[in-house]
Amino acid sequence: GEDVEQSLFLSVREGDSSVINCTYTDSSSTYLYWYKQEPGAGLQLLTYIFSNMDMKQDQRLTVLLNKKDKHLSLRIADTQTGDSAIYFCAESTLTGGGNKLTFGTGTQLKVEL
Amino acid sequence: ETGVTQTPRHLVMGMTNKKSLKCEQHLGHNAMYWYKQSAKKPLELMFVYSLEERVENNSVPSRFSPECPNSSHLFLHLHTLQPEDSALYLCASSQERTNGNQPQHFGDGTRLSIL
Repeated sequence: GEDVEQSLFLSVREGDSSVINCTYTDSSSTYLYWYKQEPGAGLQLLTYIFSNMDMKQDQRLTVLLNKKDKHLSLRIADTQTGDSAIYFCAESTLTGGGNKLTFGTGTQLKVEL
Repeated sequence: ETGVTQTPRHLVMGMTNKKSLKCEQHLGHNAMYWYKQSAKKPLELMFVYSLEERVENNSVPSRFSPECPNSSHLFLHLHTLQPEDSALYLCASSQERTNGNQPQHFGDGTRLSIL
């Protein structure tokens, strides 16, 4: 079965880099996603990576994928107070009913001045 | 503007009431989802509709009844709820693709409180 794990909290200072980690168990994952949830809002898609890639960069965001270890990370460069939110990783797997996303429990990122 | 609109944003109801949550997507997607988000628990997938057919029902109690009249609209009908049903209910939509890249786009949710 699918299981996605993340650490619960991360605190960084403004201007530093943040690294949010995620581990998953299903080796048949096709795509892996990062979502951001701000207070009172839904989940916002940030970026994604195809399981055959090992890195993807999108402005301040860098996604690293170690498929052998089933480890995914999201690096946010020059972290700002507006980056404070909960970050969810999710893996996509093919099932009989189509693609299924399994979400991690989320990492609360707190950015301090 | 997320492309997925949920109403109402907040709902307080008694255990004997009947109410409905509404979701509308403006993205031209053909799959829609209901999730339950409770504090300190992973996101729980409740229902999946693909091409207006229900394709997944994850052991959700019958007091929750989904309805998908067309590919743009999704409802969650509620009756005789319990206090533990208080949570944020999120709707999402996606476009089914054969290559497996099927990110889901979420609404802002309905915060439900059961008295």
